[in-house]
Amino acid sequence: AQRVTQPEKLLSVFKGAPVELKCNYSYSGSPELFWYVQYSRQRLQLLLRHISRESIKGFTADLNKGETSFHLKKPFAQEEDSAMYYCALSEHNQGGKLIFGQGTELSVKP
Amino acid sequence: GAGVSQSPSNKVTEKGKDVELRCDPISGHTALYWYRQSLGQGLEFLIYFQGNSAPDKSGLPSDRFSAERTGGSVSTLTIQRTQQEDSAVYLCASSLARGRGGYTFGSGTRLTVV
Repeated sequence: AQRVTQPEKLLSVFKGAPVELKCNYSYSGSPELFWYVQYSRQRLQLLLRHISRESIKGFTADLNKGETSFHLKKPFAQEEDSAMYYCALSEHNQGGKLIFGQGTELSVKP
Repeated sequence: GAGVSQSPSNKVTEKGKDVELRCDPISGHTALYWYRQSLGQGLEFLIYFQGNSAPDKSGLPSDRFSAERTGGSVSTLTIQRTQQEDSAVYLCASSLARGRGGYTFGSGTRLTVV
């Protein structure tokens, strides 16, 4: 069955430190992967998608089909990066329904 | 509208009562999704509407849950005979066909069953 796993519930780092939020998936087809972010008291919003190969707010994520991973990385964390991060997989052959991981709370300390 | 609008933002109801949650998607978005967000459970898929196709109801947790989408726009999620375990934030999202552009989420309805 399709599944997205985020092994860390909470990740705490100091400002300026590198950060990596882990995401692993299981999917039999060709996946589309996304990262969504939810800042405090704000709605969930799209951060980036693997097909765009973009860097948003200094974050990047590379799809590794061999390791079935889509880890989110940023070289120098900022306090404003503190939020809840969700990795998601699109079941493209199911009309774009997204399967979400359980989320990782990132806390960046000053 | 400019974004996905959900109402009410908060709902407190007594166990056993029925509730209706409303979602108004972005104009022109043909796909509409309902998710449930609970502490420690992440985002749980409930139901998906795409144009005039039959909805994908595979995520509805029980027959107390139902949803409809009228005229390809506004959607209502109904929970009958609410239970305390139904307490959660119910999120609606919409997207262009087949979700290529990613979802746009509403701010959610926080449901508390007492």
